[in-house]
Amino acid sequence: AQSVTQLGSHVSVSEGALVLLRCNYSSSVPPYLFWYVQYPNQGLQLLLKYTSAATLVKGINGFEAEFKKSETSFHLTKPSAHMSDAAEYFCAVIPTGGYNKLIFGAGTRLAVHP
Amino acid sequence: SAVISQKPSRDICQRGTSLTIQCQVDSQVTMMFWYRQQPGQSLTLIATANQGSEATYESGFVIDKFPISRPNLTFSTLTVSNMSPEDSSIYLCSVEAEVFGYTFGSGTRLTVV
Repeated sequence: AQSVTQLGSHVSVSEGALVLLRCNYSSSVPPYLFWYVQYPNQGLQLLLKYTSAATLVKGINGFEAEFKKSETSFHLTKPSAHMSDAAEYFCAVIPTGGYNKLIFGAGTRLAVHP
Repeated sequence: SAVISQKPSRDICQRGTSLTIQCQVDSQVTMMFWYRQQPGQSLTLIATANQGSEATYESGFVIDKFPISRPNLTFSTLTVSNMSPEDSSIYLCSVEAEVFGYTFGSGTRLTVV
């Protein structure tokens, strides 16, 4: 079954540093890919999504992700971390023939320190 | 995007009892989804609920334990039946209000004691 793998359950960066959260998918056919953020005690908020249009996808709050078919990756980046970015980040996929069901990765907890 | 109201936001329940979680959407949607997020873990899809048909359950989830209703295009309920401490989780509903536009409710934080 198609899935996504998030490398690194915890990532810690300094305020102002580059944020890089890794996500790889397992599929021979490019799927639809998503990044969600979950702040403490809240639901999920969509950051951005890839649906086979532009490979560089810009999202909210300064985040972006690049779809790389050759690397089966969809890593999330932000040039300069802010304290408010501290949260749990989930990569998700709708597999081919998945009937619109989102399959989530294990999540990466981002900590931002002064 | 759609706005979802999910109730209750949290609850503490005795083992052996049942809890019904409500999900109300501010627009008509075809598909509604129910997820479980166990402590410190990711989200797992429980079932997909379409209006006018039986819910479709994922592997490992059964209707007797998690009965779902979908009486109209804006509302759904998930019941967690005969609860045990292992059912302590966050339960979230989700809708696809636009193509590949999935919105989530704020979740129901359930603790079973």
